[in-house]
Amino acid sequence: ETGVTQTPRHLVMGMTNKKSLKCEQHLGHNAMYWYKQSAKKPLELMFVYSLEERVENNSVPSRFSPECPNSSHLFLHLHTLQPEDSALYLCASSQDSAGSYNEQFFGPGTRLTVL
Amino acid sequence: AQKITQTQPGMFVQEKEAVTLDCTYDTSDQSYGLFWYKQPSSGEMIFLIYQGSYDEQNATEGRYSLNFQKARKSTNLVISASQLGDSAMYFCAMRELVQGGKLIFGQGTELSVKP
Repeated sequence: ETGVTQTPRHLVMGMTNKKSLKCEQHLGHNAMYWYKQSAKKPLELMFVYSLEERVENNSVPSRFSPECPNSSHLFLHLHTLQPEDSALYLCASSQDSAGSYNEQFFGPGTRLTVL
Repeated sequence: AQKITQTQPGMFVQEKEAVTLDCTYDTSDQSYGLFWYKQPSSGEMIFLIYQGSYDEQNATEGRYSLNFQKARKSTNLVISASQLGDSAMYFCAMRELVQGGKLIFGQGTELSVKP
């Protein structure tokens, strides 16, 4: 039980669909993250939010649009995706975004398949 | 340049034996943190153990310990008394202080524990 939940756990969508991934953390943390994990590749950081402000956008295509309405919730809005966007999308949170030590707690991930 | 290198794509270990998973890193920063995560087939990333660059002693957490050799820039994970439930992907990660919240992951090692 990590205190970070993600919905849905699995998502299949067409390239013309619009969908959203949701992440919620119950740990009182100030920072939240989106990662992409493709097969046979290291985790790639997509976005970092600290106190609801985006502090990093790691050259992510505009078809991925994050939203952080408050420190407990993080969304990833998806539109006009490509098949190569199929991956496991992981959300994480940590007490703060700065500093060399800030353990990140991960959610279970959303397995996304784009047809 | 690759920041985190895990040279063992896959490892096998007999149940109840110890196993060492290798990780080397590259940084010019003096202050950084090193993390190990476990990812079972369910997808969730589970934090295992942390080593700070200024920590003089090797970190230990239960059956997990780190062989931290700062001069060689390596932080190998040792799992003692392997259990069948240890079968999973293991990721080494680094966070540099100057990089803020960015956690950089290696490509992972798939550990299989044999009964």
